[in-house]
Amino acid sequence: DGGITQSPKYLFRKEGQNVTLSCEQNLNHDAMYWYRQDPGQGLRLIYYSQIVNDFQKGDIAEGYSVSREKKESFPLTVTSAQKNPTAFYLCASSIAVGGAYNEQFFGPGTRLTVL
Amino acid sequence: GNSVTQMEGPVTLSEEAFLTINCTYTATGYPSLFWYVQYPGEGLQLLLKATKADDKGSNKGFEATYRKETTSFHLEKGSVQVSDSAVYFCALRVSGTYKYIFGTGTRLKVLA
Repeated sequence: DGGITQSPKYLFRKEGQNVTLSCEQNLNHDAMYWYRQDPGQGLRLIYYSQIVNDFQKGDIAEGYSVSREKKESFPLTVTSAQKNPTAFYLCASSIAVGGAYNEQFFGPGTRLTVL
Repeated sequence: GNSVTQMEGPVTLSEEAFLTINCTYTATGYPSLFWYVQYPGEGLQLLLKATKADDKGSNKGFEATYRKETTSFHLEKGSVQVSDSAVYFCALRVSGTYKYIFGTGTRLKVLA
């Protein structure tokens, strides 16, 4: 079955630590995204990547970093510079703009809690 | 700029009631429009979509029509069930880009 996997499902971090959230897709999608979701709020874009070795900042990139070394993988690092990292993080992917169906597919999410 | 506005929730309905969740958008060009559903503790699932004006997306009894003249994409269902209780997000893909804009979500509670 094709899809997006995120790990871990729950993550606890002490203040001052960097943590990395995993996102893998086997849909052969070109574009991948990271969103942050806070209680009662919509999704805010952190980073997105259209192709391997290229990515762009979203609306709230400060305190986060990403890499895109492989088409199927787009890990997100939450650094100690992120002042309020407790949130639900969602990874998504989509096919190229020229495709007939261009919706995003989402992973199950990682809930990060800073202790 | 590009934006999506949804009605505030929560929306509370009795089982078998009619559902409408309003969504309006502001966008340049011709965006694609989507409704996603999110169950507690899970990611978003695509519910339906429309890629051009007057298209009607439908799935699992839900429908929405892309209205360019009113820049709207309201979600409707004729008879809701308890299992429809979730958060619903309206979204658009900015024309010619990979970027998506989401509304703030509308929580639906259906009571038996």
